[in-house]
Amino acid sequence: SAVISQKPSRDICQRGTSLTIQCQVDSQVTMMFWYRQQPGQSLTLIATANQGSEATYESGFVIDKFPISRPNLTFSTLTVSNMSPEDSSIYLCSVDQGEYGYTFGSGTRLTVV
Amino acid sequence: AQSVTQPDIHITVSEGASLELRCNYSYGATPYLFWYVQSPGQGLQLLLKYFSGDTLVQGIKGFEAEFKRSQSSFNLRKPSVHWSDAAEYFCAVGAGPFGNKLVFGAGTILRVKS
Repeated sequence: SAVISQKPSRDICQRGTSLTIQCQVDSQVTMMFWYRQQPGQSLTLIATANQGSEATYESGFVIDKFPISRPNLTFSTLTVSNMSPEDSSIYLCSVDQGEYGYTFGSGTRLTVV
Repeated sequence: AQSVTQPDIHITVSEGASLELRCNYSYGATPYLFWYVQSPGQGLQLLLKYFSGDTLVQGIKGFEAEFKRSQSSFNLRKPSVHWSDAAEYFCAVGAGPFGNKLVFGAGTILRVKS
């Protein structure tokens, strides 16, 4: 299966600032997914990112808050903008490997103070 | 739209005892079902998946799951639990491979007592 490198692994940020999370895959993939896992909760999909097109956001998530880039078939970034303590979560990227299932990065643990 | 219910938030079992984690899904068509495990501070690791075929699926680490369409269930089992199995387990359902999002259950935290 694909290997996903996600960074940073963790960060502590001041409210009002932005953080960009990177996700690098060791093979070309068509679709990448960004999830959020709030403390003690399950995973919620933020958006789906296709190379060469605008990301598709789930209900409750907007591009101004979570802009996503997908410049090629192996890389994507998620930015958490104008952060507040409520944004403290684990953010995970995932790739779809068809019949082999979905592989996840190790996550970025974000704390906003 | 699909949904997943994991009715047990916490489960505690003794080391060496058998384990069953429950998962019920809601989806109008043939579901694609997954079990993931997340250890503290770690990402998600795929334990097993069901797409089609044999309804009893074998996974890694000695886990298996059985798809029961009539009960809309995909319960995870292990005959003998090891202390290293302590983690959080997530059941997820998708509409299919190739670009469909996953919807996750709330998770079940497994504690193993010695």
